[in-house]
Amino acid sequence: LAKTTQPISMDSYEGQEVNITCSHNNIATNDYITWYQQFPSQGPRFIIQGYKTKVTNEVASLFIPADRKSSTLSLPRVSLSDTAVYYCLVGDTGNEKLTFGTGTRLTIIP
Amino acid sequence: KAGVTQTPRYLIKTRGQQVTLSCSPISGHRSVSWYQQTPGQGLQFLFEYFSETQRNKGNFPGRFSGRQFSNSRSEMNVSTLELGDSALYLCASSFGQGARGNEQFFGPGTRLTVL
Repeated sequence: LAKTTQPISMDSYEGQEVNITCSHNNIATNDYITWYQQFPSQGPRFIIQGYKTKVTNEVASLFIPADRKSSTLSLPRVSLSDTAVYYCLVGDTGNEKLTFGTGTRLTIIP
Repeated sequence: KAGVTQTPRYLIKTRGQQVTLSCSPISGHRSVSWYQQTPGQGLQFLFEYFSETQRNKGNFPGRFSGRQFSNSRSEMNVSTLELGDSALYLCASSFGQGARGNEQFFGPGTRLTVL
């Protein structure tokens, strides 16, 4: 079972754009890539989901290269309230088991 | 709509005991998934249910089991508890036929401590 990896932590100043990358080299061919946000003492909350190229919603963008072995979550103009842990979620090829990434702790600095 | 609810929120057990955790999905959601979250292993998939059928199971020993009822409510059971089972157990529901490709709505979790 290939590991789905993310940077452990990132810091950014308020107002900046933040990009968090997830490496998932064993993603299932027909599976989506989903990103979640988690605050302390809460369950994860859905941010965005995509299959290929680029997806954008009101809070984030998701960039997926053609080989789909990685994805990048982009948060525009972050604020203090974006301080949280961010996880990617993909399905593993071969066994179809859902695999969360290792998580990235994002800290926004005032 | 009410969100996903999990009971109990906190639980303390001793090694060797067994435990049952409960999850009530959002009304209308027929798919329920369970995850274990620990500082060392992160978020790990346990099982997925749709319409009372287990669709997929993660890499956990047979001591971990679950089921889903006709009203979509789900329970998971851990028998012969070990210290390493101490974790936050999260339940998530989704509207489609499973977690893949569908937005999952997570509950607040049950914090299990094994002494």
